[in-house]
Amino acid sequence: GQQLNQSPQSMFIQEGEDVSMNCTSSSIFNTWLWYKQDPGEGPVLLIALYKAGELTSNGRLTAQFGITRKDSFLNISASIPSDVGIYFCAAHPTGANSKLTFGKGITLSVRP
Amino acid sequence: DTEVTQTPKHLVMGMTNKKSLKCEQHMGHRAMYWYKQKAKKPPELMFVYSYEKLSINESVPSRFSPECPNSSLLNLHLHALQPEDSALYLCASSQPQTGETTYEQYFGPGTRLTVT
Repeated sequence: GQQLNQSPQSMFIQEGEDVSMNCTSSSIFNTWLWYKQDPGEGPVLLIALYKAGELTSNGRLTAQFGITRKDSFLNISASIPSDVGIYFCAAHPTGANSKLTFGKGITLSVRP
Repeated sequence: DTEVTQTPKHLVMGMTNKKSLKCEQHMGHRAMYWYKQKAKKPPELMFVYSYEKLSINESVPSRFSPECPNSSLLNLHLHALQPEDSALYLCASSQPQTGETTYEQYFGPGTRLTVT
């Protein structure tokens, strides 16, 4: 089946550093989404990508839809303590009844 | 407004109880979803409603019974649950997947369910 690979499982960075997260697959997707989830809360949509090669920013966040349509990355610049959380990538193939596929998530810790 | 609301926030129930989880959205979305999420795992899809009709049931046990009374509301009725059903239950909504419609799903805050 379709799988999204996110690794490593955890990342530890210093406040102020930049961090990059990748999401890869052997399958082609038409939409890539990045979510952040805080403990005890639902995932919050950060960025949505719809075109291969598309680069989109949202404040300190930048994400790109890979040109092969099989990957995406998320960059966080100048990290702050509230960036702590689990970051999930999600992707959607073609087809009206297709489902959203999620990566396993990366837990980000930011040291002050 | 991209808000999906869920009640209750927390629920503790015994294995013989019957309870319901509620979800509401006022974004005009016509697709609504129930997900189950265990700690530090991604959400797992349970059910999808599109235009108030059940379109996907991911082989969920019958002790979970979804209901979509109207385009803004989604319920999940629970009966005779097992301790392993304890999890965060998330509701989400999106526009139906036709034409140029986007696939963005917006999640509620979840209901933390504990089955004792």
